[in-house]
Amino acid sequence: AQKVTQAQTEISVVEKEDVTLDCVYETRDTTYYLFWYKQPPSGELVFLIRRNSFDEQNEISGRYSWNFQKSTSSFNFTITASQVVDSAVYFCALSVLLTGGGNKLTFGTGTQLKVEL
Amino acid sequence: DTGVSQDPRHKITKRGQNVTFRCDPISEHNRLYWYRQTLGQGPEFLTYFQNEAQLEKSRLLSDRFSAERPKGSFSTLEIQRTEQGDSAMYLCASIARDNTGELFFGEGSRLTVL
Repeated sequence: AQKVTQAQTEISVVEKEDVTLDCVYETRDTTYYLFWYKQPPSGELVFLIRRNSFDEQNEISGRYSWNFQKSTSSFNFTITASQVVDSAVYFCALSVLLTGGGNKLTFGTGTQLKVEL
Repeated sequence: DTGVSQDPRHKITKRGQNVTFRCDPISEHNRLYWYRQTLGQGPEFLTYFQNEAQLEKSRLLSDRFSAERPKGSFSTLEIQRTEQGDSAMYLCASIARDNTGELFFGEGSRLTVL
């Protein structure tokens, strides 16, 4: 069975602080994908990043960076110099294959990030 | 707008009534998914279509739930004899034919059962 754990329920930071959101996953599959999604108050889940299980290279995109460590089954997300617009719920997810080639995402419970002035 | 659209955005109903939600995926996306999200939780997989074929259903989808995608384009999710436990956000997502799982989500249909 697949499981994603986001132990941080809520994080509050002051604007311009760096913040790291933790994600730990469990799977027996050797091939899988990991994702981060952002859910602003409007409710629509916004894709941020996808990482496959064979690529442990860290990635940076602007103020966002991701640290994938297979040895510890973690896929952490860091926002540098946070801004108020970063306030949202962030979900980590694990993808497994379905019948016919589709994918099912197993989501964590999310981390509510509040960035204050 | 070429994103995934869902209708209605909000639905309030009394227990025992039937409700239907509609999802229009991104044009030419052949795979369509329904997820359910309750307060404080991440989305949970309900069912998945490839074109008009419903290929997988979660155990969460009781026999009161039925989903269709008759022409492989839009999809409907019907809940019969609603219960208070059905109150949730119902999310639709679509993806073009690939195996990466990068889903494009709609804004969801929020159901409140009184």
